[in-house]
Amino acid sequence: GAVVSQHPSWVICKSGTSVKIECRSLDFQATTMFWYRQFPKQSLMLMATSNEGSKATYEQGVEKDKFLINHASLTLSTLTVTSAHPEDSSFYICSARDWAGDIKVAKNIQYFGAGTRLSVL
Amino acid sequence: GNSVTQMEGPVTLSEEAFLTINCTYTATGYPSLFWYVQYPGEGLQLLLKATKADDKGSNKGFEATYRKETTSFHLEKGSVQVSDSAVYFCALNAGGTSYGKLTFGQGTILTVHP
Repeated sequence: GAVVSQHPSWVICKSGTSVKIECRSLDFQATTMFWYRQFPKQSLMLMATSNEGSKATYEQGVEKDKFLINHASLTLSTLTVTSAHPEDSSFYICSARDWAGDIKVAKNIQYFGAGTRLSVL
Repeated sequence: GNSVTQMEGPVTLSEEAFLTINCTYTATGYPSLFWYVQYPGEGLQLLLKATKADDKGSNKGFEATYRKETTSFHLEKGSVQVSDSAVYFCALNAGGTSYGKLTFGQGTILTVHP
């Protein structure tokens, strides 16, 4: 099946620094990728939708200047947490949608990365 | 808005026991419904899906039926194995302007003992 690679799997950083998380689709092209955040014992909350070659669409309440998303190619999207603070500590998960090229037959299946645990000290 | 509610866990079963994880949803329009499974240290994987009312999704012995009248999509398996221990997420995609976006339930931790 399709594979989505997310890197790093775990990162610890000091408060005030920025952290970049990469999400790659390894064997398919993904015009759309999604970024989620998961708090302990809670569900995945969609943060933003990333479309290749255009600006990301952020969900209500998500600071776009805080969470910078870049989707420069069909196989790579990055999430940068800028000036991270302890409250940004969380589990971040990306997914990529396999696109068949026709909306009528589009495979609305998202393939997920294994996630990145961010701990901000 | 759209929402998914799953039964609270954790659920602990003995091997070969019957499994049910309840899932109900609220959505406008005609959503597609999904069950995802997350094994320790891995990303979420699609387990099964149903795209319209009365559809039954099935995979690896798991089944779920899309019940529009009760807005439910309960996950069942007749005989669980230790290897089924994981976190299970019910999710929906509402289509239309939210095409592609998934709304998840809170997840249910399943532990199966030998």
